[in-house]
Amino acid sequence: NAGVTQTPKFRVLKTGQSMTLLCAQDMNHEYMYWYRQDPGMGLRLIHYSVGEGTTAKGEVPDGYNVSRLKKQNFLLGLESAAPSQTSVYFCASNTESYYEQYFGPGTRLTVT
Amino acid sequence: DQQVKQNSPSLSVQEGRISILNCDYTNSMFDYFLWYKKYPAEGPTFLISISSIKDKNEDGRFTVFLNKSAKHLSLHIVPSQPGDSAVYFCAATPFTASKLTFGTGTRLQVTL
Repeated sequence: NAGVTQTPKFRVLKTGQSMTLLCAQDMNHEYMYWYRQDPGMGLRLIHYSVGEGTTAKGEVPDGYNVSRLKKQNFLLGLESAAPSQTSVYFCASNTESYYEQYFGPGTRLTVT
Repeated sequence: DQQVKQNSPSLSVQEGRISILNCDYTNSMFDYFLWYKKYPAEGPTFLISISSIKDKNEDGRFTVFLNKSAKHLSLHIVPSQPGDSAVYFCAATPFTASKLTFGTGTRLQVTL
């Protein structure tokens, strides 16, 4: 039981490049979330999903897209990376009935 | 608009003493509150929660207090241990929502 895993752990991009972050969970959770953590800003919700095939915008969705084609996977895409997207990205999941979210280990992204 | 605020970015406490971490919120729709703990290079992990129908919840060395009239909650750690050194985030949600709003975090350092 791996819980929530994130791929990759680290990545450096040049401005304008694109990439996809993968989040996978093996707990059969309905809900999945993408957050970014920046110094002094806490955890801010980018996008989330309440079930397979659904997505919704969070607090800071601009510049990101997401897809939830399979229940266990939640993908976060950056189509044209900007230095402002340098951050640590966390994925989380939970069941419909519980509020406690389980987090992955994070992806550290640097955009130069 | 920061709906969940942790006004102390850092706190230093001696081992064996009590640590008190504070959190204020502005949204009166919040009725479930959580504390997460985060070590460097790891994802946040759930610590303890409290519903708005209670004013106290205890789990071992950790106690969370909720003062709804003041829109304030606090996390007490007694006794504090060096392994408690981490960043602590409070989070809040209405019962009807499926997403959490996080504070900016407080870095706790427990010294020997």
